[in-house]
Parts: sequence; structure tokens; C-alpha cells
Amino acid sequence: DADVTQTPRNRITKTGKRIMLECSQTKGHDRMYWYRQDPGLGLRLIYYSFDVKDINKGEISDGYSVSRQAQAKFSLSLESAIPNQTALYFCATSDTGGYTFGSGTRLTVV
Amino acid sequence: QKEVEQNSGPLSVPEGAIASLNCTYSDRGSQSFFWYRQYSGKSPELIMSIYSNGDKEDGRFTAQLNKASQYVSLLIRDSQPSDSATYLCAVTSGGSNYKLTFGKGTLLTVNP
Repeated sequence: DADVTQTPRNRITKTGKRIMLECSQTKGHDRMYWYRQDPGLGLRLIYYSFDVKDINKGEISDGYSVSRQAQAKFSLSLESAIPNQTALYFCATSDTGGYTFGSGTRLTVV
Repeated sequence: QKEVEQNSGPLSVPEGAIASLNCTYSDRGSQSFFWYRQYSGKSPELIMSIYSNGDKEDGRFTAQLNKASQYVSLLIRDSQPSDSATYLCAVTSGGSNYKLTFGKGTLLTVNP
């Protein structure tokens, strides 16, 4: 099994719908992150959490919310999806070194 | 907004050549520096980390850091077609040793 698992892998949703992207990890790391990746814009940080009781906004948090249900689980929600939230979303975890990324969720909002 | 800038690319090199990838960063307080490789449609994979000035070698990869110039580079020796990917530079920033800011990446193509 993968160290960092994201579900779903692909999702198409309609404008205005609420959607949740889930991330779970088996690495035992306290720190977890959500990034989105867009062509030409690179990876941008949405939210991050350094432990279960710590949630912080990243550079592009508007329109998103998160929940850290446990050390191993960190979910990203789009309360009312809009087309410009179409992107590749990555969850990542870290310990003392660099990040370990999940396989990503490709989200399309139509 | 702290920034990380990379060569826009794409960079094309022949098989067996040295590929040189460059990155500059704006946050003088950055402490940790990483290079990731990302194949098309896949997730980024950590290939090198460097924390102090100088060179760090790992197999065919060498990372170079110059904090005074706010510059970090990655050299790939004996480039192989399998090295063809986008390379992302990432730097800790925002006063945190654990929050990374990524460059937009440089696409490298190694031609057989």
C-alpha cells in the first residue's frame, strides 16, 4: 500500500456542488499539507496542519476548507465548486526532511 | 510573497550529457532546499535535499547551494532518457522549516 493515499483519483463535478478530497497516511507524520497544481503556476499551498489541533491557511485558501480527523487523515473540501478550481490536487506529509506526496486527485469542475 | 524562480525551460540535452538546472529564492531565512522530479501526470518525487553551502552528491545527481547568492542548482551527469521529467525546486519559507514554497519547474528532455 502507498504511504500517502488520496481518494478519489479522478472526479468530475458540477459547479456549485460540495466535494471532499480525502488523504490518509501510514508514515506516522504529524505534518500534512494540501497543494494544487495548475499548468504554468506550479504547486501552490492551500492548507497545512502541523498536528491534529493545528490548522493553517496557505496562500490560496479561499473557497476551500479542511478537517484533520486524526494524525493520519486530512481532508480538503470545496464547499461550492467553481470551474477555476479545476486542477490536480496533492496531499503531502513530512517529518524532518522533504515531503512525501500522494498520487494526486484530478478534479474537473464543469 | 516569498518566491522561488527556476529556468522556464524547456531544457533539452543529448543522452550522456550534463543537465544543469537552476533555482533562485527570495527568502534569506530559508534553511532547507529540495529538488523533486515529476513525471507527467505523476506526483513529485524527492531526489535531493541540501541544507548547507557547497555541493552534495548522490549518484549521478549533485545539488549545489550558495546561500549568499540565494542560489541552488541541480546537476545531472550522464543524463538518460529516463531523466526526462519536470524538476521542481522547493525551499522552506515563511519562517517555517516545514512549509515549502515550490518553483514552477523546469521541463528537461534527454534525447537518445
